[in-house]
Amino acid sequence: DTEVTQTPKHLVMGMTNKKSLKCEQHMGHRAMYWYKQKAKKPPELMFVYSYEKLSINESVPSRFSPECPNSSLLNLHLHALQPEDSALYLCASSQEINLVGTEAFFGQGTRLTVV
Amino acid sequence: GNSVTQMEGPVTLSEEAFLTINCTYTATGYPSLFWYVQYPGEGLQLLLKATKADDKGSNKGFEATYRKETTSFHLEKGSVQVSDSAVYFCALRGLDSNYQLIWGAGTKLIIKP
Repeated sequence: DTEVTQTPKHLVMGMTNKKSLKCEQHMGHRAMYWYKQKAKKPPELMFVYSYEKLSINESVPSRFSPECPNSSLLNLHLHALQPEDSALYLCASSQEINLVGTEAFFGQGTRLTVV
Repeated sequence: GNSVTQMEGPVTLSEEAFLTINCTYTATGYPSLFWYVQYPGEGLQLLLKATKADDKGSNKGFEATYRKETTSFHLEKGSVQVSDSAVYFCALRGLDSNYQLIWGAGTKLIIKP
């Protein structure tokens, strides 16, 4: 199984809502990532977890709150988002955080619209 | 710091044409190089990779060779199909980027029947 599964696929939320994005992998990977992708742009790294601990936070606003409950699951909690946060949110995983030659496996993404 | 430069798109070709998408990089040491593909409305899929100089990655008829002397990793395919229409991203991963993927801007490929 080389899949990273993200739910939901689409999400529309108001600026006062609280919602969560979920990501799951069963490849035994110990590094998990959240990326944000705007249209026609490459993905931008948001957070990196290594062995369930937050390793990298790319100065992401606090309205985005990541959580890694166990080695297979990664959540992104959303609160008080702005319309400019509308984007495709991608989850990814890789074997380890510091193996140069290993690839990242991506989920299909959650298309988020903030209204 | 590390960086990746891709040719500007969109690239428009007819079916069965030869494809080249240029990718050059800047990095110290020995990064690994990747090509990812993103079909409309989907996430990113690894297309191929190379982890050392002169390695050739290949998959689904696509090929790319890690050229350290020219710091390049150009993507090629001998005969493209309409189903190859997508956005292609070149990326590198190395010590200098704290092991995180550094992405090119992406090249949109349009194949006409």
